[in-house]
Amino acid sequence: EAGVAQSPRYKIIEKRQSVAFWCNPISGHATLYWYQQILGQGPKLLIQFQNNGVVDDSQLPKDRFSAERLKGVDSTLKIQPAKLEDSAVYLCASSSTEKTQYFGPGTRLLVL
Amino acid sequence: AQKITQTQPGMFVQEKEAVTLDCTYDTSDPSYGLFWYKQPSSGEMIFLIYQGSYDQQNATEGRYSLNFQKARKSANLVISASQLGDSAMYFCAMGSSNDYKLSFGAGTTVTVRA
Repeated sequence: EAGVAQSPRYKIIEKRQSVAFWCNPISGHATLYWYQQILGQGPKLLIQFQNNGVVDDSQLPKDRFSAERLKGVDSTLKIQPAKLEDSAVYLCASSSTEKTQYFGPGTRLLVL
Repeated sequence: AQKITQTQPGMFVQEKEAVTLDCTYDTSDPSYGLFWYKQPSSGEMIFLIYQGSYDQQNATEGRYSLNFQKARKSANLVISASQLGDSAMYFCAMGSSNDYKLSFGAGTTVTVRA
C-alpha cells in the first residue's frame, strides 16, 4: 500500500513570493491533515479535511494561507505572500476510520 | 484544551539497552488517545504505538511499549534493546476520541551509541 505522497520535498523562495504544496493521501483515507513544524518544535495542526469539507481550520492564518481538497482526494496548501516566519516543514497526514494518522515525508520550506 | 509535555530534550543510550521517554498530558476530554511517533533526520513522522484512554492493558508493538498511568496522566514510551537506527526525535501526541486532531509535545532526541 502506497503511503502519503507530498511534493515538492524542498522549496526555497523569497519573502512575499507565493508557494504551493501538494499532498496525495493513502488511498481510501477520508481525513486529511496539514501540519506546520517549525524547527525544534512539534507539528502544529493547520487544517483538517473530511472528504472535501473543512472540519477545522481554526489555526490556519487565513490572510496568507489557503488549502483545498476539491475532489476529496489530493490536497493543495498555498501560502501567498510568504513571510520569513513561514520557514518550516509542512507535513501532510491522512487517516481512515481508524484513529492513527499516517504522515508523508514533508515539504521543507525556506523563506529568504 | 490539550497539552502534552515532554521534559527531556535529549537522551543518550547505549546500544542494546532500554530507554524510557517521558510524556505527561493534560486534557478535559473523558475519552482520548495517546500516540508516539518517531521522526528521523529525513523528516518523516513514523507511527510507533497507540494507547486508548480506556484500554485496560498497556500497548506493545515489537520493541516499543507504552507505560500508561492514567491517574498520573503519563504515557511513557519504552524502547527495549536499542539499535543504532533508533536515533531520532520522538514525539508524544494526543487526540480526543471525537476527532483525533493531534496535539504534539516538543519532542525528545534520542542518540544511540555503539
